[in-house]
Amino acid sequence: EVQLVESGGGLVQPGGSLRLSCAASGFTFSSYWMSWVRQAPGKGLEWVANIKQDGSEKYYVDSVKGRFTISRDNAKNSLYLQMNSLRAEDTAVYYCARGGRWLPFDYWGQGTLVTVSS
Amino acid sequence: QLVLTQSPSASASLGASVKLTCTLSSGHSSYAIAWHQQQPEKGPRYLMKLNSDGSHSKGDGIPDRFSGSSSGAERYLTISSLQSEDEADYYCQTWGTNWVFGGGTKLTVL
Repeated sequence: EVQLVESGGGLVQPGGSLRLSCAASGFTFSSYWMSWVRQAPGKGLEWVANIKQDGSEKYYVDSVKGRFTISRDNAKNSLYLQMNSLRAEDTAVYYCARGGRWLPFDYWGQGTLVTVSS
Repeated sequence: QLVLTQSPSASASLGASVKLTCTLSSGHSSYAIAWHQQQPEKGPRYLMKLNSDGSHSKGDGIPDRFSGSSSGAERYLTISSLQSEDEADYYCQTWGTNWVFGGGTKLTVL
């Protein structure tokens, strides 16, 4: 059974940093593009970033470029999102999803809430 | 620029059928999309990949009540024999060089 479990969310002050993690199981993690998608309170889904199987290609939505970094550790079956210079508008539930460049997002985690507030 | 347009809301009666629409912006009518369901207070769930010719492949465990079809730039999700648990938000999505979601349709089951 495919499972994606996010962690690392919480309350952070504007300008602060947070690192999200996603633990994957039930499939060959190293064979798939992986992505982060977020959902602000009461809003729709927004793609944030994705990463190729070997980490050699990464793509970001314009609003997070230069502030967020996506990475992965295939030996640990884990996906990460380092978030720096956080803003109030980054407040959202962040979901880890399998898929990216050549496939739709076919499995999702349960999400982790990030709240940016003073 | 690729844009996916969905009606904000839809409603249908228990046991009836409903057809939700996702419209691709001009110049993108050949794109495949995916449909996702998000029940209240839950993470999204992948329903299916839908091609421009109407062929589709569903995700694991998705009931036969869910089907997809296409016409030009329109992509449809049809849910038959509506059940209470089908009350949810439904999103369409593209991938490749544009990772875009539609604004979502909130489906109410009456």
